[in-house]
Amino acid sequence: ETGVTQSPTHLIKTRGQQVTLRCSSQSGHNTVSWYQQALGQGPQFIFQYYREEENGRGNFPPRFSGLQFPNYSSELNVNALELDDSALYLCASSLDLQGSYGYTFGSGTRLTVV
Amino acid sequence: GDSVTQMEGPVTLSEEAFLTINCTYTATGYPSLFWYVQYPGEGLQLLLKATKADDKGSNKGFEATYRKETTSFHLEKGSVQVSDSAVYFCALKGGSNYKLTFGKGTLLTVNP
Repeated sequence: ETGVTQSPTHLIKTRGQQVTLRCSSQSGHNTVSWYQQALGQGPQFIFQYYREEENGRGNFPPRFSGLQFPNYSSELNVNALELDDSALYLCASSLDLQGSYGYTFGSGTRLTVV
Repeated sequence: GDSVTQMEGPVTLSEEAFLTINCTYTATGYPSLFWYVQYPGEGLQLLLKATKADDKGSNKGFEATYRKETTSFHLEKGSVQVSDSAVYFCALKGGSNYKLTFGKGTLLTVNP
């Protein structure tokens, strides 16, 4: 079975621009969560998608938004990029909403805002 | 809200040394507790978990016991290897919650 795939692996954007990050969930997993990991910090929960709807959200402003598609893949969109948005963005998929069987993480997208 | 505090690194050990990384938590209800490991350039991998008090999680020689009375979940390994060099994260998931709350991570370097 394939794991969680994220793209791109790295990208550089200018402050004020918009970015879209992509995640393909593990086969059979219907729930996707996104996390932001700033340098030297632990991952922080951004939001979770289940059945194409946002199910829960962390302490992130509305310029962070997402989508989930019928095949359970997901996108994270960030508008009006700020320097502090520079981080590793991790996607995690799970078999159910509660993560009862655990989470599978992707390798992440390293975003640098200059 | 939920929070996790883990010992700050970096931790540098010689091969075959004993490892302890401390982790304490604050949470309502009865959380599940986890240790994740992150190797350079990679995502997070689940190392071990415990879902109720007094449970011991174990994997690859690592162990951690869920101590409700001290709200702790310390990671231990009796004899570390160079290949154990990585960042280790303690995390919790609240009983009715859907998200993981992570500590800041501890960088472990094991020298031959």
